[in-house]
Amino acid sequence: DTGVSQNPRHKITKRGQNVTFRCDPISEHNRLYWYRQTLGQGPEFLTYFQNEAQLEKSRLLSDRFSAERPKGSFSTLEIQRTEQGDSAMYLCASSLEASSYEQYFGPGTRLTVT
Amino acid sequence: AQSVTQPDIHITVSEGASLELRCNYSYGATPYLFWYVQSPGQGLQLLLKYFSGDTLVQGIKGFEAEFKRSQSSFNLRKPSVHWSDAAEYFCAVGGPEFGNEKLTFGTGTRLTIIP
Repeated sequence: DTGVSQNPRHKITKRGQNVTFRCDPISEHNRLYWYRQTLGQGPEFLTYFQNEAQLEKSRLLSDRFSAERPKGSFSTLEIQRTEQGDSAMYLCASSLEASSYEQYFGPGTRLTVT
Repeated sequence: AQSVTQPDIHITVSEGASLELRCNYSYGATPYLFWYVQSPGQGLQLLLKYFSGDTLVQGIKGFEAEFKRSQSSFNLRKPSVHWSDAAEYFCAVGGPEFGNEKLTFGTGTRLTIIP
C-alpha cells in the first residue's frame, strides 16, 4: 500500500496526558499537511511542511500542539496536556510540491480525551 | 478569506436516482475547487478537482461537477447513484491568492441511499 498511513488509528487518553501521532506520507511527496476534523464538521487546516520546514501554522494550533518532520519524511503531531476539546479526528495529507493543492489523505487518528 | 458553504446537511436518494450536491464558495480570484468523499471511519478520497479550463469536470466513480463563476458554485452530480455511494461528501476550495497552501472545507453533506 503506497498511500498515506497514520498511527495509531484510535487513541483514548485521560485529560492532562500527552499524546503523539505519526503520519507517513506517500514516499515521493515533499509536502505534508495536518488537519483536524470534529464531529459534524469538515477538516480544518492546522499546519503544513515542505520537506522538513514547517511553513505555516493555523491559529487553531495552540502552544500545546507541536508538529515535526525531522528528516522530511514522516511527521509527528504532539498534543501536550490534552483537554476534552482536543477530541477529534486528526488527518494527515501529502502532496507533490508542483500540485500542492491535490492532497491525498490518510485514514486519520481518532483521539478521545476522557 | 476563502470559505465554502454546503447548504444541505443530509440528503436521501433512492438507488438509481440522480444526485446533485450543492457547493458555494467565496474566494477572491479563480479558485481551485475539489470534491472529496469520506466513508465512515475512513480518510478523504479525492473525487475530482477544478483548476482552470473546461468548467465541467469528470471524476472517479461516475461523478462530475460544474464550475459556475457567476453563481460561485461547484455542484457535484451523478446520473445514477449506487448503494456504495452512501458517505459524507465535502467540497473544498484553495488557491494561490493568499499565498497559502491550505484547503478550506465545507461542513459536508451526508448522503443516504435507500433501496
